[in-house]
Amino acid sequence: GESVGLHLPTLSVQEGDNSIINCAYSNSASDYFIWYKQESGKGPQFIIDIRSNMDKRQGQRVTVLLNKTVKHLSLQIAATQPGDSAVYFCADSLWTDKLIFGTGTRLQVFP
Amino acid sequence: DAEITQSPRHKITETGRQVTLACHQTWNHNNMFWYRQDLGHGLRLIHYSYGVQDTNKGEVSDGYSVSRSNTEDLPLTLESAASSQTSVYFCASSPTGQGNTEAVFGQGTRLTVV
Repeated sequence: GESVGLHLPTLSVQEGDNSIINCAYSNSASDYFIWYKQESGKGPQFIIDIRSNMDKRQGQRVTVLLNKTVKHLSLQIAATQPGDSAVYFCADSLWTDKLIFGTGTRLQVFP
Repeated sequence: DAEITQSPRHKITETGRQVTLACHQTWNHNNMFWYRQDLGHGLRLIHYSYGVQDTNKGEVSDGYSVSRSNTEDLPLTLESAASSQTSVYFCASSPTGQGNTEAVFGQGTRLTVV
């Protein structure tokens, strides 16, 4: 069935280091993947997306990598800043426009 | 600016009461969604709609209902509130796009059932 999961519930990194958040998905037919950031007390906010016909997509300080062979998705944040502290969710979607979310990873940035 | 708003932001209700949470978006999006967020479960889909008069059940729809009479609103009703429905509820909307689901989320409604 459709499910999206995360390997690590909490990730602690030092300010300035790169962060890597991982995500596994189970539906091999999923064709669209999104990363969301959720700060405390707020709704999820779109970060970056990638379609299944791509392996990599870059944004501002963020890169998403997609490995369809092992159904794995990762979010890389370069030069992590205190403002990056949040919970990060991956979500996958089929043509139905319906997003299925993972449980989230909390990113903690310390000085 | 376009936005999506939820009301109320906080609600305390008693077991057995009917409760309605409002969601209003001015993005002119066809798709609207309701999620609940509980610790350890992430965001779980309750109901969703692809357009006016269209509603669909998500993975945790028992005890909830929605109606879509216009593009802007998708109210979520708890028919008879239960303590297990204590949660944070998020509404989202997205444009129709064959899987292009850059959804925008509301700020959430924290519901406590006592």
